[in-house]
Amino acid sequence: DAKTTQPPSMDCAEGRAANLPCNHSTISGNEYVYWYRQIHSQGPQYIIHGLKNNETNEMASLIITEDRKSSTLTLPHATLRDTAVYYCIVRVQTGFQKLVFGTGTRLLVSP
Amino acid sequence: DAGVTQSPTHLIKTRGQQVTLRCSPISGHKSVSWYQQVLGQGPQFIFQYYEKEERGRGNFPDRFSARQFPNYSSELNVHALLLGDSALYLCASTLEGQSSSPLHFGNGTRLTVT
Repeated sequence: DAKTTQPPSMDCAEGRAANLPCNHSTISGNEYVYWYRQIHSQGPQYIIHGLKNNETNEMASLIITEDRKSSTLTLPHATLRDTAVYYCIVRVQTGFQKLVFGTGTRLLVSP
Repeated sequence: DAGVTQSPTHLIKTRGQQVTLRCSPISGHKSVSWYQQVLGQGPQFIFQYYEKEERGRGNFPDRFSARQFPNYSSELNVHALLLGDSALYLCASTLEGQSSSPLHFGNGTRLTVT
C-alpha cells in the first residue's frame, strides 16, 4: 500500500502557483519524498525529490515540514501543460528500487 | 539524448496467448524496472533488473517473467494472458541498482487482451 495521502483532485488558474499537498505521517528517517507526474497517455515524469531540506529545480519547489510528516509541491506559474496526475511517493534509498504509487492528485489547470 | 524507448506502443492479444514487451533504457543506465498500470490506478511494480540479475519482484504471478540483456535492454514476458492483464506496461531505467538517482519512464506499451 502507498504510504502517502493526497487529495484526489485540484484546480488551478493558468499563471498562478499550484500547491499540491501530500501527507506521509509514517515516513521513516531514511525515506525520501519523490514527486512524479503523469500527463495523459505518457509515462510518469520525475519532478523532484528531497529528504528533509527544501529543494528547488527548474520545474518545481518541494517543501518538507520539519517533522517530515507532510510536504508540498509548488509549481510557481502553472501552465495548461501542467495538467496531469501528480504522485507523491516515499522511498528508501537502499535495497532494490521500488516506487509505490498511490492514486495521486489530478491537477487541472484552466485558462 | 533518447529517453527510455518501449515497443510496441500498442498490442492486442487474445486470452491464453503470450506476449513479449521490449524496453531500451537511457544510454548508460544499467537498471531497468517494469510497472503495470491498470486504467484509473497508479503504476504497480513488477520487476527490477540490474546488471542482468533480478533485484526485486512485485506481487505478480509466475506468468510474468523478464530478463535483461548484456546491452541492458530488457524484455517482459507474460504467458497465458487473462483479460485482467489489459494495462499500460511501463519500463523505467536508472543509472544504478541502488541509488538516489530517479527512475526515468518510457511512455509504455498498451496491452489489450480480448
